[in-house]
Amino acid sequence: DIQMTQSPASLAASVGDRVTITCQASQDIDNSLKWYQQKPGKAPRLLISDASNLETGDPSRFSGSGSGTDFTFTISSLQPEDIATYYCQQYDNVPYTFGQGTKLEIK
Amino acid sequence: QVQLVQSGAEVKRPGASVKVSCKASGYTFTDFYIQWVRQAPGQGLEWMGIINPYDGSRRYAQEVQDRVTMTTDTSTTTVSLELRSLRSDDTAVYYCATIAVAGPHFDYWGQGTLVTVSS
Repeated sequence: DIQMTQSPASLAASVGDRVTITCQASQDIDNSLKWYQQKPGKAPRLLISDASNLETGDPSRFSGSGSGTDFTFTISSLQPEDIATYYCQQYDNVPYTFGQGTKLEIK
Repeated sequence: QVQLVQSGAEVKRPGASVKVSCKASGYTFTDFYIQWVRQAPGQGLEWMGIINPYDGSRRYAQEVQDRVTMTTDTSTTTVSLELRSLRSDDTAVYYCATIAVAGPHFDYWGQGTLVTVSS
């Protein structure tokens, strides 16, 4: 199985800050990576697919990059509504494993 | 619009079985796979398995493969998850979600079903 190592587990930042979350795969997954946002009591919501493709309608402050084993998710200017937990998921090989999640809080 | 509507919350005793359903609408049911994901209270997302509504083929996560069965009914556009021999650590919110294994992504989630396992 492919292991996804996501860091940090939690992060406190100020409004307007640049926030970066990383995800490392235990083997090459090409660009088969999604980033999800999950708010309390809600289902996850897809933000980015194929490592860097932002979903239509989502703010351009969200971005993703990487290929192979190392991936990055960035919020260029943190907004209060971005407070959530973020997860990566690889879909290169079954089982489609998730990272452990990053809980983002306002400082 | 695309919707995945899941069955309601369940409370089960340890050792019992539970069946969670996921009714799809708003798209061609057989065009996209369904994955099941669960989330224990305060924990992360755990991938459980995937089923192809077109032919019923499925793959399960190793952690649950001996206790889980996923089925599909094209007549009712419903996918179901059955989990047997329930344990307390099966207490979680269970989500169904569409997933495209090729081509453009098609990512829609059900509202989640809370399954509580308690004696």
